Amino acid sequence: AQTVTQSQPEMSVQEAETVTLSCTYDTSESDYYLFWYKQPPSRQMILVIRQEAYKQQNATENRFSVNFQKAAKSFSLKISDSQLGDAAMYFCAYRSEYNNNDMRFGAGTRLTVKP
Amino acid sequence: NAGVTQTPKFQVLKTGQSMTLQCAQDMNHEYMSWYRQDPGMGLRLIHYSVGAGITDQGEVPNGYNVSRSTTEDFPLRLLSAAPSQTSVYFCASSPLREGPYNEQFFGPGTRLTVL
Repeated sequence: AQTVTQSQPEMSVQEAETVTLSCTYDTSESDYYLFWYKQPPSRQMILVIRQEAYKQQNATENRFSVNFQKAAKSFSLKISDSQLGDAAMYFCAYRSEYNNNDMRFGAGTRLTVKP
Repeated sequence: NAGVTQTPKFQVLKTGQSMTLQCAQDMNHEYMSWYRQDPGMGLRLIHYSVGAGITDQGEVPNGYNVSRSTTEDFPLRLLSAAPSQTSVYFCASSPLREGPYNEQFFGPGTRLTVL
């Protein structure tokens, strides 16, 4: 089964600075999809960004971008110009092309933003 | 649209009691799923459904039952609650048309404590 590892339980960033959250995954598949979800204190999970593995170009969504390294099985999230509202748990997730009913999540990284 | 709604928000049960966690969505999504979130483990899939009358097991199905009689509703039943089922439960839905690239829309979660 695929596993997703987030090696940073907690991260901290100064407001307006840039922070990178790490995610690695283990798979033998060639086609899959990767996601970053944000969970603020309200507990509501919100999609931040997603990437299709067959696309080499890194996805971007405003201040959020990813560094997708397929060979290294790495999918890091970069948050630029950090804002207080970015403080949350961030989960990396993997979804197979072949068994797309099963989404695998990492353990999460808690991001603190300091004013 | 209300999106994905879950009731109750909090629940305390005694060991051996049964209960049903309710989930409803008003987006006409075919796919619905239940996850549990435990500290340090991210979200794990319990059961999922790809349409009315169709359900299947996820990663951690033991002790839980589901049914899908309508597109809108996907209740999760705990048959005989155990302390190991203390967790936060999330319901999610997504349309099937984009396949595994779909964004999943999550409910606000139910915090369940089993004494």
